[in-house]
Amino acid sequence: KAGVTQTPRYLIKTRGQQVTLSCSPISGHRSVSWYQQTPGQGLQFLFEYFSETQRNKGNFPGRFSGRQFSNSRSEMNVSTLELGDSALYLCASSLMGDSTDTQYFGPGTRLTVL
Amino acid sequence: DAKTTQPPSMDCAEGRAANLPCNHSTISGNEYVYWYRQIHSQGPQYIIHGLKNNETNEMASLIITEDRKSSTLILPHATLRDTAVYYCIVRVATAAGNKLTFGGGTRVLVKP
Repeated sequence: KAGVTQTPRYLIKTRGQQVTLSCSPISGHRSVSWYQQTPGQGLQFLFEYFSETQRNKGNFPGRFSGRQFSNSRSEMNVSTLELGDSALYLCASSLMGDSTDTQYFGPGTRLTVL
Repeated sequence: DAKTTQPPSMDCAEGRAANLPCNHSTISGNEYVYWYRQIHSQGPQYIIHGLKNNETNEMASLIITEDRKSSTLILPHATLRDTAVYYCIVRVATAAGNKLTFGGGTRVLVKP
């Protein structure tokens, strides 16, 4: 079975622009979570989607948004980019997203904001 | 969320067992302990998880104390490829879904 895939792997943007990152979960997985990793803050939870609905959200500003499609693929969008948004963005998928499900991570998208 | 405490770093000799401790003294009865590791700039890799009993798989063993306030991840025969940051996580499941709360992890360096 193919793992979680994320595109693009690397991205360079400038301040004020917006960016969309894509995540394809493992086949059959319906829950997709997004995380941001920076050297200063570590790995932080952004949001989780299940069956096209956001059901959990971390403490991030409204510039960070996401959605999930009927095939469970997910996208996250960051508008009005700031320098501090430079990070590794990780997507993780699990079967149903409950406490007995294991989350499997993709390789991440490295975003650099100049 | 139950907080976890791990030593920031540890060294291990290649071929020896690596024992990684984790404290989670505020864990509640229905929270699982998960271990992930992250090799430089890659996505975290799932290792093992458990609730009360000790668990073993092809990668590692997980020993959870009877009071569940701490656990130890054991890599039985560490190799150079086991050099990574290891995260101990208490899994919170709420009615609104679930999330993983990562702490600082333990940076493990396996030396030849």
